[in-house]
Amino acid sequence: GENVEQHPSTLSVQEGDSAVIKCTYSDSASNYFPWYKQELGKRPQLIIDIRSNVGEKKDQRIAVTLNKTAKHFSLHITETQPEDSAVYFCAASRSNNDMRFGAGTRLTVKP
Amino acid sequence: DVKVTQSSRYLVKRTGEKVFLECVQDMDHENMFWYRQDPGLGLRLIYFSYDVKMKEKGDIPEGYSVSREKKERFSLILESASTNQTSMYLCASSLWSRGGAQETQYFGPGTRLLVL
Repeated sequence: GENVEQHPSTLSVQEGDSAVIKCTYSDSASNYFPWYKQELGKRPQLIIDIRSNVGEKKDQRIAVTLNKTAKHFSLHITETQPEDSAVYFCAASRSNNDMRFGAGTRLTVKP
Repeated sequence: DVKVTQSSRYLVKRTGEKVFLECVQDMDHENMFWYRQDPGLGLRLIYFSYDVKMKEKGDIPEGYSVSREKKERFSLILESASTNQTSMYLCASSLWSRGGAQETQYFGPGTRLLVL
């Protein structure tokens, strides 16, 4: 089955800097890659997703890139703000009901 | 706006007790999921259901069972709770896509279960 690895497990940046979180996956048939943000004590919420027919997607300060050949995808947050502090999860899926999550990255943005 | 609710935010149970966790979604989603979330392990799938009365095992089904009698409701049952089932339990739902493509999963707020 699919195996998703996520790095780093913790990331600390200064406000205004960029943050990059990387995930690798094992199943070449995976075709959907969402990113979730989970603030302390709250539910995971989708922040951006990408499908395998696209190499990059951007939404304001957040972007995701996908390299299907290397089987990795990354989340990029630019101009980080303290409210970006949270745990971020990547996931990979090949079908309706087969989503595998990374272990999570705890991002801390220092003011 | 998708709404997924869970019956309890916090629950304390004793070893051996039978525990019911309920999840309800109001978006007519076909798929529903139960995950447990543990530090350093991310979200691990316990069970999922793609239709009423249908269920499939996830990666860690041992010690758990599920019930889906109505489309909007998916219950997770711990037949005999053990201390290693202390965890955060998250329910999620998504549309079922006829093309097979994965749809976004929407999560409930979670139930933090402590088994003593």
